[in-house]
Amino acid sequence: EIVLTQSPATLSLSPGERATLSCRAGQSVGSYLAWYQQKPGQAPRLLIYDASNRATGIPARFSGSGSGTDFTLTISSLEPEDFAVYYCQHRSHWWTFGQGTKVEIK
Amino acid sequence: EVQVVESGGDMVQPGGSLRVSCAVSGFSLSSYAMSWVRQAPGKGLEWVSTSGGVDDTYYADSVRGRFTVSRDNSKNTVYLQMNSLRVEDTALYYCASLYTSAHSKYFYYWGQGTLVTVSS
Repeated sequence: EIVLTQSPATLSLSPGERATLSCRAGQSVGSYLAWYQQKPGQAPRLLIYDASNRATGIPARFSGSGSGTDFTLTISSLEPEDFAVYYCQHRSHWWTFGQGTKVEIK
Repeated sequence: EVQVVESGGDMVQPGGSLRVSCAVSGFSLSSYAMSWVRQAPGKGLEWVSTSGGVDDTYYADSVRGRFTVSRDNSKNTVYLQMNSLRVEDTALYYCASLYTSAHSKYFYYWGQGTLVTVSS
């Protein structure tokens, strides 16, 4: 099982600032990585798949990069609705998630 | 419009059984693999099971042998039968459709979840 480690656990930023979230895999996962956003009381939403492709309807301020073991989710300019928890996810034999990064208002 | 709606969550005693359901609309269940993902209170996401068809099912180690996923394509419904429930199975259970990209499969359409509480 491939372990995904996200950092930081919490990111405190102000609206308009840039957010950079990291996901590190215990071994290479190629480009097979996704990012999800979860707001309180809501189901997760797919943001990015195959490391860098935005899902349908996802704003351009969200971007993903990386390959192998190191991946980044960048939110170029935080909007009020972007404060949430973000998870990375990979599928090898089965599906695994990182532990999440909470982006909170500073 | 695509909808995924879970139901059947309840409180059960340790060792008990429960079946939760996931009804989909807006797409044909027979064309998609479906998964269950759970989230314990205040915790992260944990994949539970995936059903691509009758002979195409997968389970997390934590539930294998206790949980069984099935589907009725004619009713556009997926089921998760949970036996020998443990306190640690307490969670919000989400149903999600799988999207197949060029490289992998990801969770795309999600329901709002159904709460399973295991407690004496």
